[in-house]
Amino acid sequence: AQSVAQPEDQVNVAEGNPLTVKCTYSVSGNPYLFWYVQYPNRGLQFLLKYITGDNLVKGSYGFEAEFNKSQTSFHLKKPSALVSDSALYFCAVRDLDSSYKLIFGSGTRLLVRP
Amino acid sequence: EADIYQTPRYLVIGTGKKITLECSQTMGHDKMYWYQQDPGMELHLIHYSYGVNSTEKGDLSSESTVSRIRTEHFPLTLESARPSHTSQYLCASSDPVRAPNEQFFGPGTRLTVL
Repeated sequence: AQSVAQPEDQVNVAEGNPLTVKCTYSVSGNPYLFWYVQYPNRGLQFLLKYITGDNLVKGSYGFEAEFNKSQTSFHLKKPSALVSDSALYFCAVRDLDSSYKLIFGSGTRLLVRP
Repeated sequence: EADIYQTPRYLVIGTGKKITLECSQTMGHDKMYWYQQDPGMELHLIHYSYGVNSTEKGDLSSESTVSRIRTEHFPLTLESARPSHTSQYLCASSDPVRAPNEQFFGPGTRLTVL
């Protein structure tokens, strides 16, 4: 069965420092991977996706993610964190049994301190 | 402006009441979804629809029911609310042709059953 894991419940980083939010996946076949962000009292917003092609994917708000097939990882990164980046981040993989369904990770809370 | 809407945003209700959570999207998407989000953040798919008159149970068993009489409308109903139904409910939609694999989320309804 397909799954994604987000090993960190929370990530703390100082403003201006680089940030990484980790995600690993378990998929038989080629994965379609996604990152979503949820701000307080809001729904999820799409950040970026990896389908095929370059392993480094650029997305919204200066975020990027690196697909690493050998490590089965899809970590979210940003070179310089902003306080406004503080939110919940969800990694997701497309369900291969149903192309319309996404399987979400448990979420990681990012806290950027001034 | 194309968007996805959920009403009410917040609902506090007594045990035994019947409630309907509304979800509407103006993007013409065929696929729609309902997720339940635990207080601890995890998202669970409870219902989805491929189009008009199509509804399917999701990965997490739910006592709620859904209907899809119109493309743009995907309401969720609880016949008799219980405290165990207290959660955040997120509606989403997708268009597999124009934006394959991406889901667009509404702002959510936070339900509290007393």
